Amino acid sequence: KNQVEQSPQSLIILEGKNCTLQCNYTVSPFSNLRWYKQDTGRGPVSLTIMTFSENTKSNGRYTATLDADTKQSSLHITASQLSDSASYICVVSGNNDMRFGAGTRLTVKP
Amino acid sequence: DGGITQSPKYLFRKEGQNVTLSCEQNLNHDAMYWYRQDPGQGLRLIYYSQIVNDFQKGDIAEGYSVSREKKESFPLTVTSAQKNPTAFYLCASSITGYTNQPQHFGDGTRLSIL
Repeated sequence: KNQVEQSPQSLIILEGKNCTLQCNYTVSPFSNLRWYKQDTGRGPVSLTIMTFSENTKSNGRYTATLDADTKQSSLHITASQLSDSASYICVVSGNNDMRFGAGTRLTVKP
Repeated sequence: DGGITQSPKYLFRKEGQNVTLSCEQNLNHDAMYWYRQDPGQGLRLIYYSQIVNDFQKGDIAEGYSVSREKKESFPLTVTSAQKNPTAFYLCASSITGYTNQPQHFGDGTRLSIL
C-alpha cells in the first residue's frame, strides 16, 4: 500500500472556480510535505513545502494546509486558470526517504 | 539559466539493447536522483547519488545502472535486463541528499520499446 494517497485521481472544473486536492499519508517519522505541479510532458515544479509546525502556506493562488495529527494535507486553488491544468503531486519526506503520491490530474475548462 | 537538462526527450529501445539517458545539471548540487514515472503511480526511485563517485540503489534498481564521474552528470543506463522499460524517466538534483532540501527536476525522457 502506498504511503501517500491522493484524491481525487482526476478533477475537471470550470475556469474561475476553486478546488481542493487531498493528500493522506502514513509516512513516519515525518519531516516535511511538498506539493508539486507537473505539466504534461514536463518535470514537477515545487509549489510549497510544509514542516511539522506549519498549518498553512500560500503561494499566490495556491494554499496548502497540513494537519500533522491526522496526517492529512490539502492544496486549495483559488480562481482557477487554464494554465492550472496539470497533475499535482504530494510528496512526504521522512528521515531518510521521500514518498510520492500518484497525483491528481486537474483539468480547467473555459 | 541554471537547471537540469535531460536528453533525449524521446528514446526508443529495441529488444536486447542497452540505452543511456543523459542528465546534466549546472546548479552545483551535490545530490542527484533518477525516478521512473508510470501512469497512475507515484514516482519511484531508481538510483541516487549524494556525492561524486558514489551512488546507491533505490526501490527499483534492477535492470538499471548509473555512474557519477562528474558532479554535473548522472547518466542512467537501461539494460536489456529491464523487461518493462517503457516509462517516463525523471532526473532530479538537490543541494544535499537530506530530505529537507527541495529537489529540482528535469523535463524527463520518455522511453518506449520498438
